[in-house]
This record gives sequence, structure tokens and C-alpha cells, in this order.
Amino acid sequence: AQKVTQAQTEISVVEKEDVTLDCVYETRDTTYYLFWYKQPPSGELVFLIRRNSFDEQNEISGRYSWNFQKSTSSFNFTITASQVVDSAVYFCALSEANFGNEKLTFGTGTRLTIIP
Amino acid sequence: EPEVTQTPSHQVTQMGQEVILRCVPISNHLYFYWYRQILGQKVEFLVSFYNNEISEKSEIFDDQFSVERPDGSNFTLKIRSTKLEDSAMYFCASSEVVGLNTGELFFGEGSRLTVL
Repeated sequence: AQKVTQAQTEISVVEKEDVTLDCVYETRDTTYYLFWYKQPPSGELVFLIRRNSFDEQNEISGRYSWNFQKSTSSFNFTITASQVVDSAVYFCALSEANFGNEKLTFGTGTRLTIIP
Repeated sequence: EPEVTQTPSHQVTQMGQEVILRCVPISNHLYFYWYRQILGQKVEFLVSFYNNEISEKSEIFDDQFSVERPDGSNFTLKIRSTKLEDSAMYFCASSEVVGLNTGELFFGEGSRLTVL
């Protein structure tokens, strides 16, 4: 069975600080996908990244970066120079590679509050 | 940019009533999904749908739930006799199939269901 653990329930940081959101996953599959989604107060799910299990390269997109470590089954997300607009709930998710069937297993989310 | 659209954005209903939530997936996508998020909790997979039939469903998706693609564009979730615990945000999603790879999962903005 797949499982995603986001141990940090809530994090608060002062604006412009860097913050890392942790994600640890469990799966028996050798091929899988990892995701991060942002859920702002308005409630929609905003896609941030999708990473194939064979691609362990870290990725940077503007102020966002992701560290994928297969050895520790972790896929952590860092926001550099945080801004108030980053305040949201962030979900990590996992899906097995099942020919087009994106059945995602979500973590419980981390509520990030950026204090101005 | 193509998007998944959902209606209604919010529906209030009495316990025991039937509810239909509607979704228009992205036009060239072949896989369709419903996910649910009870307030303050994680997002949970309900069902996936491919080639006019259910591909996979979770234990949440009992006989009270059904899905349908009544025409070439809409994808619906029906709850036959709503219960208080069905109150949640329901997200529709779709993905394309790209060779042997799963495509990116696009979520709609959600339909909030309140059962009184």
C-alpha cells in the first residue's frame, strides 16, 4: 500500500525566510510519480510539480526547489525568500505508474503561514 | 490554457436528497477522476474512469455513488441519497495518456457540497 507522510502539520515563518516542507513516502512500486500541490484559502488545487521516480535530479523553479532523495524516500519542497502569497496548505502526493491512471495518494498537508 | 471546469461551485442540500456534480474535463484527456476532501483533511481518491467505464474505485465509493459520461464533454458524479458525512469539497480531474506514461493530472476548482 502507498503512503505519504507530511509530519509538519503547520509551519509559520516570517516573510523572506526560507522554508522547507518535508514529504516522506512509502511504495512497493519501482516506478512511481511524486507531486506537490498548493491549496490556497480559495480551495482549489494548484499543481506545482510532478517527478518521475527515475529522475532524481533536483529541480528549481523560481523561488521553489525540490529535493528528491530515493535513498530516504523523501521529496522535500523548499521555498526561498518566502512571500505572504505563499501562505497555503501544501500537499505532497504519490501515484503508481499505471498507464494513464493517476490515482494519487495524498499526504495530510502542511499549512504554511507567512507572517508579514 | 485548457482547464477542468466544475459546476456548481457550491451546493447545499438536505440529507437524503440526490446530488449531481458536473465536470467538463480537458477535451483531449482520456482519464477522468473524482477526489474528495472533507474540510480540513487530506484529499482522497474516489474513482477513475476510462473508456466509458470505471477503471478503479476506492472503498469510499460505495453504492450511493455513481459516475457517468452522458455525452462527449461532461463527466458527472451522482450521490443518490446524501448523508451528513458526504459534506466535502469534490474535485474533478482529468489526464491524458502519453504513450506508456501517465500524463499530468489537472484538477478543477472543486464543488463544495454541504449536506444539512
